[in-house]
Amino acid sequence: QSVLTQPPSASGTPGQRVTISCSGSSSNIGSHSVVWYQQLPGTAPKLLIYSNNQRPSGVPDRFSGSRSGTSASLAISGLQSEDEADYYCAAWIDSLNGYVFGTGTNVAVL
Amino acid sequence: QITLKESGPTQVKPTQTLTLTCTFSGFSLSTSGVGVGWIRQPPGKALEWLALIYWDDDERYSPSLKSRLTITKDTSNNQVVLTMTNMDPVDTATYYCAHRRPRTSAFDYWGQGTLVTVSS
Repeated sequence: QSVLTQPPSASGTPGQRVTISCSGSSSNIGSHSVVWYQQLPGTAPKLLIYSNNQRPSGVPDRFSGSRSGTSASLAISGLQSEDEADYYCAAWIDSLNGYVFGTGTNVAVL
Repeated sequence: QITLKESGPTQVKPTQTLTLTCTFSGFSLSTSGVGVGWIRQPPGKALEWLALIYWDDDERYSPSLKSRLTITKDTSNNQVVLTMTNMDPVDTATYYCAHRRPRTSAFDYWGQGTLVTVSS
């Protein structure tokens, strides 16, 4: 069981804003930057957000990340059908001296 | 352009050792700050980080699997090799290698993944 907890699912209609949470603790999110990945069905994960809120080149600005205390969030504004995917948060964990992925959230576009 | 590709057996038997190779291009593992990691994903389940090797030979392992994993690099051939001993059916998964974005904890380029089935 991951130390980073995400809701199993989230959904919205096209154009809506969807927010996904990632809950951790002071030893992970509270002291390390958070990363977000998008995994479309049957494909490898894709980096969406790094260093809490930075977008790599090519990622639409509809995707935004934030961190507050021991939690982080990914927001998708202007939801589109192609955003249907699994989303994972991740962070380095000092206590484990390793990297941990969140439990994952499946986003459905209704 | 950075690319990575995993290769290895598609099936192994329980108790056998799995050896996977990640062959990459577009970067050098001798460049400061660079790292290559391995991540796996059982069918229908979440991602799980396995190991990471840095340009300076620093190795990091998942604590729960550390006793079974070894990660090595061949800088001249642009390869990273992961070995996992004592394979079990629960290790059935798609195994990915990925490039670590320097000075971050993010994996910014991923291979396509290779499905490994553990079955007798």
